[in-house]
Amino acid sequence: DAKTTQPNSMESNEEEPVHLPCNHSTISGTDYIHWYRQLPSQGPEYVIHGLTSNVNNRMASLAIAEDRKSSTLILHRATLRDAAVYYCILLGDYKLSFGAGTTVTVRA
Amino acid sequence: NAGVMQNPRHLVRRRGQEARLRCSPMKGHSHVYWYRQLPEEGLKFMVYLQKENIIDESGMPKERFSAEFPKEGPSILRIQQVVRGDSAAYFCASSPREQGAATEAFFGQGTRLTVV
Repeated sequence: DAKTTQPNSMESNEEEPVHLPCNHSTISGTDYIHWYRQLPSQGPEYVIHGLTSNVNNRMASLAIAEDRKSSTLILHRATLRDAAVYYCILLGDYKLSFGAGTTVTVRA
Repeated sequence: NAGVMQNPRHLVRRRGQEARLRCSPMKGHSHVYWYRQLPEEGLKFMVYLQKENIIDESGMPKERFSAEFPKEGPSILRIQQVVRGDSAAYFCASSPREQGAATEAFFGQGTRLTVV
């Protein structure tokens, strides 16, 4: 599976945007970029996914570099409920490969 | 539309007993995946099933673990003769999978197995 690299942790203040980077220099042309998050003691939750174009949904935005070797998940206004581990995953078929992710802490 | 339902949420078993973990996928989903999260570790893929078929069990331990997804009823992950190392959170996910890698997966809340 193609690997992704994420920072171990990030801190943010409540109501401020959070930009979570992800590097995936070995991405193949058919890999989708998926983001999931896992709140404490809960199952993973789908956040967003994209292939080439930037994507927006009610939870977040996904900005994908033109060469697709990196992407950024954007939480527009962090809330305390956004404190979680965020996983950037390349998906070519069905098998989600979760790395260590980025632990996001939100300060009130 | 109920989400992915897993039960029990917590399960305690003595060493040597059997553990049965159940997963009901979202309505209309015919693809089920099981993942395991060991303490302080990431989630690891175990098995992918469609109705009555095991598609990929490459992440399943070779012994004591089995999974099924019958035509009727929930998917079952079965662990025979549990050992302390089996203590983990087991998550089930489902998807409609019509769009392949463009499809999102919906996860349940997990079953936390503790072997004493």
